[in-house]
Amino acid sequence: GAVVSQHPSRVICKSGTSVKIECRSLDFQATTMFWYRQFPKQSLMLMATSNEGSKATYEQGVEKDKFLINHASLTLSTLTVTSAHPEDSSFYICSARDRGFSYNEQFFGPGTRLTVL
Amino acid sequence: GQNIDQPTEMTATEGAIVQINCTYQTSGFNGLFWYQQHAGEAPTFLSYNVLDGLEEKGRFSSFLSRSKGYSYLLLKELQMKDSASYLCAVSDSNYQLIWGAGTKLIIKP
Repeated sequence: GAVVSQHPSRVICKSGTSVKIECRSLDFQATTMFWYRQFPKQSLMLMATSNEGSKATYEQGVEKDKFLINHASLTLSTLTVTSAHPEDSSFYICSARDRGFSYNEQFFGPGTRLTVL
Repeated sequence: GQNIDQPTEMTATEGAIVQINCTYQTSGFNGLFWYQQHAGEAPTFLSYNVLDGLEEKGRFSSFLSRSKGYSYLLLKELQMKDSASYLCAVSDSNYQLIWGAGTKLIIKP
């Protein structure tokens, strides 16, 4: 149980285009989903926290107009990188918290590697 | 501010034991997690401690001392597949995970 999927696993796009990444909780209801970014040899950096049915809360320094997050249902959250540039190339990972879980463990998706040319 | 400290890199020998330390200063505490992350992959859950003491799970054990703001992850009978980064994360008063930078563990034959 507690499986989180992410799609796509890898994407290469041209500078200026937009990319949408989907995060799904497959066998549980996720009231909260988290979006992280990880650059090579660095730790996870939380970008935003999204709660189902409400606006995402962005971390300081993360542009909300560039990284659009939608959490329309208890099993799906999407991150759209708008007008992507080479500096946005990174490993994007989502995680989800099961509201039925006894402690606040986050279950991670497999990640999406974005390369912007 | 909130801070998690762990060593950047450690090296150990196959079959041996290694202890990875983590110290933290956070606003509130709702538990400490250890995750394993292989290169190019997402983190996978290893352990969770919210009370003081040792939690044992097979070859891996995790210890917590809340008064000292200290935890360690103990890996026994090391295998080559244990080569990975080990991330310490603390759940703060808002149940947000505060992440350490990770400890890269290199296992040598």
